[in-house]
Amino acid sequence: DQQVKQNSPSLSVQEGRISILNCDYTNSMFDYFLWYKKYPAEGPTFLISISSIKDKNEDGRFTVFLNKSAKHLSLHIVPSQPGDSAVYFCAASAGSGGSNYKLTFGKGTLLTVNP
Amino acid sequence: GAGVSQSPRYKVAKRGQDVALRCDPISGHVSLFWYQQALGQGPEFLTYFQNEAQLDKSGLPSDRFFAERPEGSVSTLKIQRTQQEDSAVYLCASSYLAGIPETQYFGPGTRLLVL
Repeated sequence: DQQVKQNSPSLSVQEGRISILNCDYTNSMFDYFLWYKKYPAEGPTFLISISSIKDKNEDGRFTVFLNKSAKHLSLHIVPSQPGDSAVYFCAASAGSGGSNYKLTFGKGTLLTVNP
Repeated sequence: GAGVSQSPRYKVAKRGQDVALRCDPISGHVSLFWYQQALGQGPEFLTYFQNEAQLDKSGLPSDRFFAERPEGSVSTLKIQRTQQEDSAVYLCASSYLAGIPETQYFGPGTRLLVL
């Protein structure tokens, strides 16, 4: 039973265009969401996060949108650059109950940005 | 400063063999986490330490898996009588503040292959 789902295993975009990565979740206890980027042979690195009290968070070229009613979030990268090519993981945690350290990850989406 | 380091980076074990995987967290990080990432999957939480205390081991898949952090710094994940389904990348993360998920810094992982 996957609680965090990334239904697109891969995505290919042209340099300079927008990349949109999607993530759905089923557990209504999740109230904090994160995106990680992972290069081969390296560990995931934190990219951007959003709390359930917000519907948008922006950091430079990266914006995360959260639709609580649909249990859906998305990561927008504008403009996309070849160096953005990596696997992107969506992760969630449940803050209440003191277990917000426990991250539940999706399977990841491989983003390829073509020059 | 140095990030989280893990050793060995690769380990091949025969089924039934015991293995020990080491994690050196970032200096001063009191929280330490282990995750298991099977092929094509996202990382899955295994266990969490606060200093030397193992506060959550709910993700350990069986009693063949054992983790320790005796002096509150280096941690070892031990797998006894390895099985083929144990083949995965084992990620370690450390944090200076467990309650803020984005403060988890991941190591590069140990890739375990059980033949």
